[in-house]
Amino acid sequence: QKEVEQDPGPLSVPEGAIVSLNCTYSNSAFQYFMWYRQYSRKGPELLMYTYSSGNKEDGRFTAQVDKSSKYISLFIRDSQPSDSATYLCAMSAYGYGGSQGNLIFGKGTKLSVKP
Amino acid sequence: DSGVTQTPKHLITATGQRVTLRCSPRSGDLSVYWYQQSLDQGLQFLIQYYNGEERAKGNILERFSAQQFPDLHSELNLSSLELGDSALYFCASSVVADRRGTQYFGPGTRLLVL
Repeated sequence: QKEVEQDPGPLSVPEGAIVSLNCTYSNSAFQYFMWYRQYSRKGPELLMYTYSSGNKEDGRFTAQVDKSSKYISLFIRDSQPSDSATYLCAMSAYGYGGSQGNLIFGKGTKLSVKP
Repeated sequence: DSGVTQTPKHLITATGQRVTLRCSPRSGDLSVYWYQQSLDQGLQFLIQYYNGEERAKGNILERFSAQQFPDLHSELNLSSLELGDSALYFCASSVVADRRGTQYFGPGTRLLVL
């Protein structure tokens, strides 16, 4: 079983739809959870950063972490064509040294928002 | 624009060859990270340097090596290249050594090994 699983999609939605993107993980030591957005031929950019369980909202984006289920989600409200990109979840355990603090990425979900 | 620069943007080479990828971090960032992104493996952490010293290793092959120079730019050396090394290579930087911190990614170097 991979440490982080993410449905690769592709996911196609009409403009204005609510989008739900998800990742599951197996390592209970993960405490830091991130969502990155990657446009075609660009590097990933950080969208959301969450520590431990709970919700975090930033504009049209909401990140949820459920550590009991080892499940994280990213919701995009009122989706726009400019949201079309690949969304990568990433997570890490605590640690300054060794391998514990390494960021582990999901493979990404490709999202297309149609006008 | 993240402020992280990478050169070259594209690289085409043959099996068995050696290449060097270069990264300049954002101004003020002391940590540099290297990642490999391929279709089948996704984005994989390779190695981290902090202020010139190796801080952490991920899934980096022995044929690959990196270093960070006093001016904080970093180079990733890939040798004895194989077809399977074809991938996007990203550099990221952050202010702190702690990998929990926000990492800013460069635009990547696309490597094709023929």
